[in-house]
Amino acid sequence: DAGVIQSPRHEVTEMGQEVTLRCKPISGHDYLFWYRQTMMRGLELLIYFNNNVPIDDSGMPEDRFSAKMPNASFSTLKIQPSEPRDSAVYFCASRIAGGPYNEQFFGPGTRLTVL
Amino acid sequence: GDSVTQMEGPVTLSEEAFLTINCTYTATGYPSLFWYVQYPGEGLQLLLKATKADDKGSNKGFEATYRKETTSFHLEKGSVQVSDSAVYFCALEVDDKIIFGKGTRLHILP
Repeated sequence: DAGVIQSPRHEVTEMGQEVTLRCKPISGHDYLFWYRQTMMRGLELLIYFNNNVPIDDSGMPEDRFSAKMPNASFSTLKIQPSEPRDSAVYFCASRIAGGPYNEQFFGPGTRLTVL
Repeated sequence: GDSVTQMEGPVTLSEEAFLTINCTYTATGYPSLFWYVQYPGEGLQLLLKATKADDKGSNKGFEATYRKETTSFHLEKGSVQVSDSAVYFCALEVDDKIIFGKGTRLHILP
């Protein structure tokens, strides 16, 4: 399996622009998680889905952030409008329900820079 | 609420030194505990896990024991290698979610 795939790997944009991050989970996995990593705040869970349904979005920082999972093999995280404080590495992770250890498998991340 | 506290880094050691990274947790009930590792430019990957008190997780020479009485899950390795240089995250599982500590950066000098 190719693992969790994220695109783009790097994104540089200007303040006010819309940014869309993409994730393809491992085939057969039921859960998908979006995280944000910064030096100051560490790794924060933004939102997670189970069977394409958002379960907990309490970590989404504000209304500028939105996430969708239209089918089992694709999810997006959108920031509109983007701000410099959104600069971070965004990770997507997936896991299978009832699997050993409930291990989450992480993608390589998208490094976002908002100028 | 549930949380994880781990020692701040960076930690710098010479090759073949003994490693300890401290981790304590606060949780209701008896969560599963994890150590994840992040190598430069990559996502996190599971290093080891323990699901109940006194369980010992181990992998790649690393070990951690679930201590309920001290609410701790310290990571240890007897002899570190340069290739162990990475960021290490202690974590606990609550419902379907994993709560991560802030991470400890480890530098191993040849």
